[in-house]
Amino acid sequence: DSGVTQTPKHLITATGQRVTLRCSPRSGDLSVYWYQQSLDQGLQFLIQYYNGEERAKGNILERFSAQQFPDLHSELNLSSLELGDSALYFCASSVGGARNSPLHFGNGTRLTVT
Amino acid sequence: AQKITQTQPGMFVQEKEAVTLDCTYDTSDQSYGLFWYKQPSSGEMIFLIYQGSYDEQNATEGRYSLNFQKARKSANLVISASQLGDSAMYFCAMRGAQGAQKLVFGQGTRLTINP
Repeated sequence: DSGVTQTPKHLITATGQRVTLRCSPRSGDLSVYWYQQSLDQGLQFLIQYYNGEERAKGNILERFSAQQFPDLHSELNLSSLELGDSALYFCASSVGGARNSPLHFGNGTRLTVT
Repeated sequence: AQKITQTQPGMFVQEKEAVTLDCTYDTSDQSYGLFWYKQPSSGEMIFLIYQGSYDEQNATEGRYSLNFQKARKSANLVISASQLGDSAMYFCAMRGAQGAQKLVFGQGTRLTINP
């Protein structure tokens, strides 16, 4: 058990809808990262938050947004969903951004857009 | 920009044999970290081992070791005495010291251990 909690585990929704994925980092970890894993794109970095502030942005679509709350949990909001958004979405956390600090991943939320 | 290349899409190994999973990387950072993760069919990402760019010794964690060759920019994972439970996807990743603090992942290698 990595200590990172993601909910829900599975999500099935229709095109055009909006969903929210939730993540609770490991106790003591200030950084939260969101990744998207799809068969054709592999593991793609979306966005990072550190202690409530956005720290880095990756290949995140404008239809997607995220935030980290004062209690350090994070939410990833996906709107105007398309079939191509179907993927496994991971949240990961780390103590900070040091190069020797591994990311600890949650079990992921599998999103299916129909 | 950082890049990880894993050239073996799939590998098949007999149980109890040792296996080496290849990873090469490219970065302009002088200081960086290299990581290996395991993803079983259940989907979770499990951190296995870390190697720092300035570490002189190869990292080891139980049956996992990292064959780090800095001049060749390679960081191969070696699994000794493979077990059926080692069947999974394995990802090599790196993290630089500057700029974005994200992990950059390779495309992964699917390892299958045969009994």
